[in-house]
Amino acid sequence: EAGVAQSPRYKIIEKRQSVAFWCNPISGHATLYWYQQILGQGPKLLIQFQNNGVVDDSQLPKDRFSAERLKGVDSTLKIQPAKLEDSAVYLCASSLMGDTEAFFGQGTRLTVV
Amino acid sequence: GQNIDQPTEMTATEGAIVQINCTYQTSGFNGLFWYQQHAGEAPTFLSYNVLDGLEEKGRFSSFLSRSKGYSYLLLKELQMKDSASYLCAQAAGNKLTFGGGTRVLVKP
Repeated sequence: EAGVAQSPRYKIIEKRQSVAFWCNPISGHATLYWYQQILGQGPKLLIQFQNNGVVDDSQLPKDRFSAERLKGVDSTLKIQPAKLEDSAVYLCASSLMGDTEAFFGQGTRLTVV
Repeated sequence: GQNIDQPTEMTATEGAIVQINCTYQTSGFNGLFWYQQHAGEAPTFLSYNVLDGLEEKGRFSSFLSRSKGYSYLLLKELQMKDSASYLCAQAAGNKLTFGGGTRVLVKP
């Protein structure tokens, strides 16, 4: 069974630039999460989708971050414009339902300089 | 949101036992997960508790007390490769919320 795929693995951008991350969840998983993990901290939920609807985006900085999950499968997370404090690993995870085991992708390590 | 508390860091000796505690808010509880995360890698699933008691899986065991909002992960016969962060995560209200993680350092 293929796992959660994310790209790119690494990205370096200058502040005020924009960046986009892509995630392909495990086939059949209705729930998709985007987490931000700053070095030395636990993952922080940015947004959770159930199929193509948003379940929770309460911690998403909506002035600069946006995410979509068209057709309830792949998802993209965008940051525009980026700030230095956005430097982190962005993890995508998927699960069958919202409170079952989540499977993580390898993450995208973003460095904003 | 859910407040999930776990110690920041623990150090133990190879071959020893370490217990990582986790406390959480009990409202809307649907289950408690433990994940392992090696530096630079994604979290991987270790265990899941939804009923009170101890779940044993090889060298790793996880305990849950729903009335106390408390769980622990027990790592026995520690090996150097067990050096990693251990994340407690609560399932509640159709969401999965993580604690800050406990960094475990295993010394020879």
